[in-house]
Amino acid sequence: KAGVTQTPRYLIKTRGQQVTLSCSPISGHRSVSWYQQTPGQGLQFLFEYFSETQRNKGNFPGRFSGRQFSNSRSEMNVSTLELGDSALYLCASSLPTQETQYFGPGTRLLVL
Amino acid sequence: AQSVTQLGSHVSVSEGALVLLRCNYSSSVPPYLFWYVQYPNQGLQLLLKYTTGATLVKGINGFEAEFKKSETSFHLTKPSAHMSDAAEYFCAVSETGAGSYQLTFGKGTKLSVIP
Repeated sequence: KAGVTQTPRYLIKTRGQQVTLSCSPISGHRSVSWYQQTPGQGLQFLFEYFSETQRNKGNFPGRFSGRQFSNSRSEMNVSTLELGDSALYLCASSLPTQETQYFGPGTRLLVL
Repeated sequence: AQSVTQLGSHVSVSEGALVLLRCNYSSSVPPYLFWYVQYPNQGLQLLLKYTTGATLVKGINGFEAEFKKSETSFHLTKPSAHMSDAAEYFCAVSETGAGSYQLTFGKGTKLSVIP
């Protein structure tokens, strides 16, 4: 069974731009979570989607948003990029009532 | 809110020596506990998890961890380190919110293995 896939793997943007990252979960997994990883703050939870609905949200500004499609694929969007948004963005998928999350390889975003 | 503390941001061991990575958590309810490993430029790979039942949990690559409720600890061990174990290790606790499972991570411990 294929793992979680994320595209693109690397991205360079400039301040003020917006960016969209994509995540395809493991087949059969309907819950998708997003995390931000930075050297300073570590791994932080962004949000979680299930059945196209956001079920849970971390403590991030409204510039960070996401959505989930009917095939469980998910996207996250960051608008008005700031230098501090440079990070590795990780997507994880799980079965709906399963506590175990499986991670993709991440998208590394650099904001200049 | 739950929290996770990993003692030691860097740990060095000799090849063949015991690996011990420490993790303490805070939780007001029985937690789900996880160890993940991250190799350079990669995502997180699940090593092992504790949900319920046996407190000694065995994972992949010869790692194991023991859940000690009285000490609120979930330390990761491996009897004999290999060069391929060099990576960053993250302990995480799962908390539920609105029916979903949100992971709270420790800051990570970078393991170096000296030949």
